[in-house]
Amino acid sequence: QKEVEQNSGPLSVPEGAIASLNCTYSDRGSQSFFWYRQYSGKSPELIMSIYSNGDKEDGRFTAQLNKASQYVSLLIRDSQPSDSATYLCAAGFQKLVFGTGTRLLVSP
Amino acid sequence: GAVVSQHPSWVICKSGTSVKIECRSLDFQATTMFWYRQFPKQSLMLMATSNEGSKATYEQGVEKDKFLINHASLTLSTLTVTSAHPEDSSFYICSASGGVSAGGEQYFGPGTRLTVT
Repeated sequence: QKEVEQNSGPLSVPEGAIASLNCTYSDRGSQSFFWYRQYSGKSPELIMSIYSNGDKEDGRFTAQLNKASQYVSLLIRDSQPSDSATYLCAAGFQKLVFGTGTRLLVSP
Repeated sequence: GAVVSQHPSWVICKSGTSVKIECRSLDFQATTMFWYRQFPKQSLMLMATSNEGSKATYEQGVEKDKFLINHASLTLSTLTVTSAHPEDSSFYICSASGGVSAGGEQYFGPGTRLTVT
């Protein structure tokens, strides 16, 4: 059973802080890793993709991948209240396995 | 870029009737489309994977005769919920992918909220 595990949270951070979201995956054959943001009642929105070990930065977001440890993380710098959402980690090759998501709450 | 539309955004139907949901990739060719359902406060559940011009591959436990999927072109896939029952009420979301050559990224439509009365 291929699995992606995330802490459900909520992860509470004050505005301006760094939010750190983590996930682990079970399938060593996974080649693609994604972070999606999902607001309540809405569909997921792709925010980051990462394919090789190391860090990938895009604006306030940094994705980190460690294939040896089967670990993916997402850092959100200068967190804003509008970042409050559920963040889904996904891993796979073409068909993705999604985690259950981590709820992030950014307080003003 | 990478915009996916879904129609309708919400639908209410009577038990026993069928409902068709359309998913379109507006600015790219989607070699593969995926259909998910999501119950409140739960994660996405993949229902099926469809490739243009071929039969959909259904996940274990998903009734292919109940959830009919057609992927007629590189920009359009449809999901038909046949003989809908109240337990089929859910949030149905499609995603589209340009395939592994495009990085395997999936872009989601806005979803369709189905209520069966």
